[in-house]
Amino acid sequence: GAVVSQHPSRVICKSGTSVKIECRSLDFQATTMFWYRQFPKQSLMLMATSNEGSKATYEQGVEKDKFLINHASLTLSTLTVTSAHPEDSSFYICSARDRPRGVIYGYTFGSGTRLTVV
Amino acid sequence: AQKITQTQPGMFVQEKEAVTLDCTYDTSDQSYGLFWYKQPSSGEMIFLIYQGSYDEQNATEGRYSLNFQKARKSANLVISASQLGDSAMYFCAMRDNFNKFYFGSGTKLNVKP
Repeated sequence: GAVVSQHPSRVICKSGTSVKIECRSLDFQATTMFWYRQFPKQSLMLMATSNEGSKATYEQGVEKDKFLINHASLTLSTLTVTSAHPEDSSFYICSARDRPRGVIYGYTFGSGTRLTVV
Repeated sequence: AQKITQTQPGMFVQEKEAVTLDCTYDTSDQSYGLFWYKQPSSGEMIFLIYQGSYDEQNATEGRYSLNFQKARKSANLVISASQLGDSAMYFCAMRDNFNKFYFGSGTKLNVKP
């Protein structure tokens, strides 16, 4: 089945630095990538949707300049948390939509990245 | 606006028994998809089962079945013969016409030996 590889799985960074999270589709072409954020004991909240080769669409309340999304190829999307602060500490997870081939397997999640900003 | 509601923050079930996790949704879309995901402590989201809004039969995947009641807008997950490895968070989600996913708040399932 479709696999999305997400790295790093855990990262600790200092306040003020930037962190890049990568999601790579291994055996399919991800035309659309979704980025979610999950606070402890809460649900996943959609942050942004990116389509290959175009600008990401951000959900209301999500700062575009803080959470930079790049989807430069059909197999790679990145989320960069710029000038990270402790309140950005969270679990970030991506989900890729492959080319239409069946609705059930059209959405594959990465394994998530736990970001801790100290 | 789309909304997914899971009213059970936590559930306990005895090993080998069946358990039902509740999910209701609110949408004005005619076409939508309903999903259940399992999230163990490691954080990954594991797809369990899918039900399309036009599917007339309830979806089943092994020990998982989805009790779809369209008029009530409910999509409850039934896990039969619970196993210790089923202990995890379970999220109900809906995909709308724009392929956006909306997740419920989750239910933490604990399977007792």
